[in-house]
Amino acid sequence: DAGVIQSPRHEVTEMGQEVTLRCKPISGHDYLFWYRQTMMRGLELLIYFNNNVPIDDSGMPEDRFSAKMPNASFSTLKIQPSEPRDSAVYFCASSNPSGRVTDTQYFGPGTRLTVL
Amino acid sequence: SQELEQSPQSLIVQEGKNLTINCTSSKTLYGLYWYKQKYGEGLIFLMMLQKGGEEKSHEKITAKLDEKKQQSSLHITASQPSHAGIYLCGADRGRAGGTSYGKLTFGQGTILTVHP
Repeated sequence: DAGVIQSPRHEVTEMGQEVTLRCKPISGHDYLFWYRQTMMRGLELLIYFNNNVPIDDSGMPEDRFSAKMPNASFSTLKIQPSEPRDSAVYFCASSNPSGRVTDTQYFGPGTRLTVL
Repeated sequence: SQELEQSPQSLIVQEGKNLTINCTSSKTLYGLYWYKQKYGEGLIFLMMLQKGGEEKSHEKITAKLDEKKQQSSLHITASQPSHAGIYLCGADRGRAGGTSYGKLTFGQGTILTVHP
């Protein structure tokens, strides 16, 4: 299996621009998580999906952030408009359908976002 | 996260030395996860502990969870340069009734450097 795939790996954009991050979970996994990692705040869960349905989005910072999962093999995290404080590494993770939502999560390599 | 404290924040050891990283929660946990992260990469699952007093080992890494399920330690024996990285603990605080809370809260991480 290729593991969790994220694109792009690096993104540099200017303040005010729309940014879209993409994730392909491991085939067969029915939980998908979006995390953000910064030096100041560490690793934070933004939102997670189960069977393509958002379950908990309490970690989404504000309305500028939105996430979708149109099908079992694809998810997007969009920031519109982007701000410099959004600069971080964004990780996508998926987990195996064993009945426990916090079963082992497999992380993608991350997208390093820089907003100028 | 203020609910989960990791110590030390950073650790520098000579190759061959033993070391311990601690993770403390203010509340009893449903489950405790240990992950390792190399710079610029995603998290790699190490071990998951769920029972009070549980201990698991993989190669030279041993993780323990105390009886109260509030404190965990990660011990590396005879450290090697390949052990270098950031170690993060993730906690599932659970729900009343003894089920998963549905998401993980991560500690700030411990940066481990191993000098050859």
